[in-house]
Amino acid sequence: AQSVAQPEDQVNVAEGNPLTVKCTYSVSGNPYLFWYVQYPNRGLQFLLKYITGDNLVKGSYGFEAEFNKSQTSFHLKKPSALVSDSALYFCAVRSSGSARQLTFGSGTQLTVLP
Amino acid sequence: GAVVSQHPSWVICKSGTSVKIECRSLDFQATTMFWYRQFPKQSLMLMATSNEGSKATYEQGVEKDKFLINHASLTLSTLTVTSAHPEDSSFYICSARDLTSGSSYDTQYFGPGTRLTVL
Repeated sequence: AQSVAQPEDQVNVAEGNPLTVKCTYSVSGNPYLFWYVQYPNRGLQFLLKYITGDNLVKGSYGFEAEFNKSQTSFHLKKPSALVSDSALYFCAVRSSGSARQLTFGSGTQLTVLP
Repeated sequence: GAVVSQHPSWVICKSGTSVKIECRSLDFQATTMFWYRQFPKQSLMLMATSNEGSKATYEQGVEKDKFLINHASLTLSTLTVTSAHPEDSSFYICSARDLTSGSSYDTQYFGPGTRLTVL
């Protein structure tokens, strides 16, 4: 079985400060990892993904994520947060070796304070 | 980039009526689409996997006779909530996986969601 954990329901950060949203995963085989962002009453927007290659993945809107195989983590980061980054963030995983559906974490509400 | 649309974006209906939600992949073909349900401040719950030209695969606990899925073409899947009741009120989101080559390969793209309210 595959699973994703987002240990923080809520993350608050001041505008201009770096932000981190944590994600750990469990999957058999090589993981495909994704981050999505959801604004109120909207669907999910794709931010970035890790399939293979460099452990540091750069995505949309200045976000990046680092794949750490030994710690089974895929934390989302941004060097300087904006108020407009405030949203609900979801980490998702699936195994590369199957056609299984994505498994989502419970989501982390990010609030960037002006 | 790959775009998925949903229609309608919101719908209000009376209890006992049926509601159809459309999901379209606008610039890519999707042999597989997915339907999710999301309750307020919660994660997405996969309801079913929609396969073009064949029957949908439902997740455990999802009533296939209540949530009818049709994947008539490579760009369109529909979810029909039959005999809707207030407890079916929710945010329904579809997604499709782009399996064409390029940077979008194997990424799942989501529609904007449909807010269903059953009175």
